[in-house]
Amino acid sequence: AQSVSQHNHHVILSEAASLELGCNYSYGGTVNLFWYVQYPGQHLQLLLKYFSGDPLVKGIKGFEAEFIKSKFSFNLRKPSVQWSDTAEYFCAVNTPYSGNTPLVFGKGTRLSVIA
Amino acid sequence: DAGVTQSPTHLIKTRGQHVTLRCSPISGHKSVSWYQQVLGQGPQFIFQYYEKEERGRGNFPDRFSARQFPNYSSELNVNALLLGDSALYLCASRVDRGPPANYGYTFGSGTRLTVV
Repeated sequence: AQSVSQHNHHVILSEAASLELGCNYSYGGTVNLFWYVQYPGQHLQLLLKYFSGDPLVKGIKGFEAEFIKSKFSFNLRKPSVQWSDTAEYFCAVNTPYSGNTPLVFGKGTRLSVIA
Repeated sequence: DAGVTQSPTHLIKTRGQHVTLRCSPISGHKSVSWYQQVLGQGPQFIFQYYEKEERGRGNFPDRFSARQFPNYSSELNVNALLLGDSALYLCASRVDRGPPANYGYTFGSGTRLTVV
């Protein structure tokens, strides 16, 4: 069975600091990878996704993620965070077989950006 | 274009009661999935429906059931509610045609269920 580990439970950064949130998954085959963001009081929104091709994926709001197959990782990065990036971030994985399996989510990382 | 809509937004029930949650997918999306998000955790998969057929079920007891209607909307039913069923219930719809790279799950805002 697939699983996703997000090692950082809560990250606190100052504005303009660089961000990297870790995500590791456990599945030896082909995977689709996703990062979702949940702003306070809002629904889950897709930041970016990886299906195939270039392992460096660029998403919305200046976020990017790099798929490193040998490390089973899909870390999320942003060069300079803003206060408005304060939110909960979820990494998720599924497999592209049988019409795509359901998403398996990590427990999430709460990001707090302070002035 | 309307997103995924869920109703009600908030609900309070007592233990042992039954609850029905509703979801309308994005127009043209034939696949609907349900997830449970307990406070401090990531969403957990409950059910997936495609073309009115169940295509997947997560590790939830038989008290949880769902169905999808001809218009692709969906209901999630939970019987004999327990305190531990208190959570945010999320519905997601998905495109199921075209290149796989277009596949993506769009989530609704959820129904916050509190069992007292």
